Order: sequence, then structure tokens, then C-alpha cells
Amino acid sequence: EAGVTQFPSHSVIEKGQTVTLRCDPISGHDNLYWYRRVMGKEIKFLLHFVKESKQDESGMPNNRFLAERTGGTYSTLKVQPAELEDSGVYFCASSPTGSYNEQFFGPGTRLTVL
Amino acid sequence: DAKTTQPPSMDCAEGRAANLPCNHSTISGNEYVYWYRQIHSQGPQYIIHGLKNNETNEMASLIITEDRKSSTLILPHATLRDTAVYYCIVRGLNSGYSTLTFGKGTMLLVSP
Repeated sequence: EAGVTQFPSHSVIEKGQTVTLRCDPISGHDNLYWYRRVMGKEIKFLLHFVKESKQDESGMPNNRFLAERTGGTYSTLKVQPAELEDSGVYFCASSPTGSYNEQFFGPGTRLTVL
Repeated sequence: DAKTTQPPSMDCAEGRAANLPCNHSTISGNEYVYWYRQIHSQGPQYIIHGLKNNETNEMASLIITEDRKSSTLILPHATLRDTAVYYCIVRGLNSGYSTLTFGKGTMLLVSP
């Protein structure tokens, strides 16, 4: 069974540019989560999709971040315009239906904003 | 969610048991204890979780005290590949059962 995949693995952009990160969850998983770790900080929750609906987006830092999950399959996280403080590692996770199921994480996308 | 406290780092000799403690004194009755780990440059990996009974799987054992205020993750025979940051996470109703709140974790270094 394929795990959670994320693309790209690394992205280097300049301040003010736009970047789109992609996450492909494990097939059949309705729940999809985005987390990130910025430099020196702990891993923080960003948002949670159930199928194509945003269940919880309380962790989104500001309106420069836009997450979508059209069709309830893969998800994208767009940062526009990127700022220096957005640098970090962005993780995606998925889980099947059920409150306490484990979340399976992808390898992450390392974003560097120069 | 209840806050957890873990030692920042621990050492363990290869082949020995690694016992990682976690305090969660404010845990409520409907909150579970989860353990994840993050090996360098990889995404977090689920290890085990429990409510009040001790649990065991192919990776580890989880011992939860009777008052549920603390727990210990046991890796019975640590290998070099177990070197990672280990996170103890309490998860329950207040988070909508969905989000994981990561703290600083414990950096476990397994040495030859």
C-alpha cells in the first residue's frame, strides 16, 4: 500500500512569490491534515479536511495560506505571497474514518523562502 | 488538550530497553495517550496509543499508571534505527479528536 506522498520534496522561492504544495493521501482515507514546523519551533497543526470539506482550519496562520481538496482526494496548500517566516517543513497526514485512528504522515516538503 | 511533559533527551545502549517517560497530570477521562516519533528528515510516525490499559504492539509497549497521570513508552530492544525524537501526545474531545498537538518531545539517542 502506498503511503502519503508529498510534492515537491524541496522548494526554494523568493519572498513575494507563490508556492503550491501537494499532498496525496493514502487511498480511501477521508481525513487529511496539514502541519508545519518552522525553524526552531514545534510541529503545529494547520488544518483538517474530511473528504473535501474543511473540518478545522484553526491553525492556518493568515490569509496568505489557502488549502484545497477538490474531489476529496489530493490536497494543495498554496502560499501567496510567501514571506521569510513561512520557511519550514510542511507535513501532510491522512487517516481513515474514525475518531481515534492513527494519522499517517508524509515525508514533508521543505520550503525555503529567501 | 492536556499538556505533556517529557525529558528533553535520553540515551540508551543498543539492545537494551529504552523507557521514555511522560507526565500528563491534567489528562481527562476521555483523553487518549498517543506516542509518535520522528526520525531525522522523515515525517512523524505513529507508535502506539492507549486510554487506561497497558498496550503492546510490534513496535513498543505503553504503560499507563492507574491514575493516568503519567505513562512510559518502552522499546524492548532498542536499535540504532530507533534514534529519533519521541512525542507523547494527549488527544481527546477538546481537539475534536482530530488534531495532534506536538510538544518538544524526547530526543532518544541509541548508541552502539
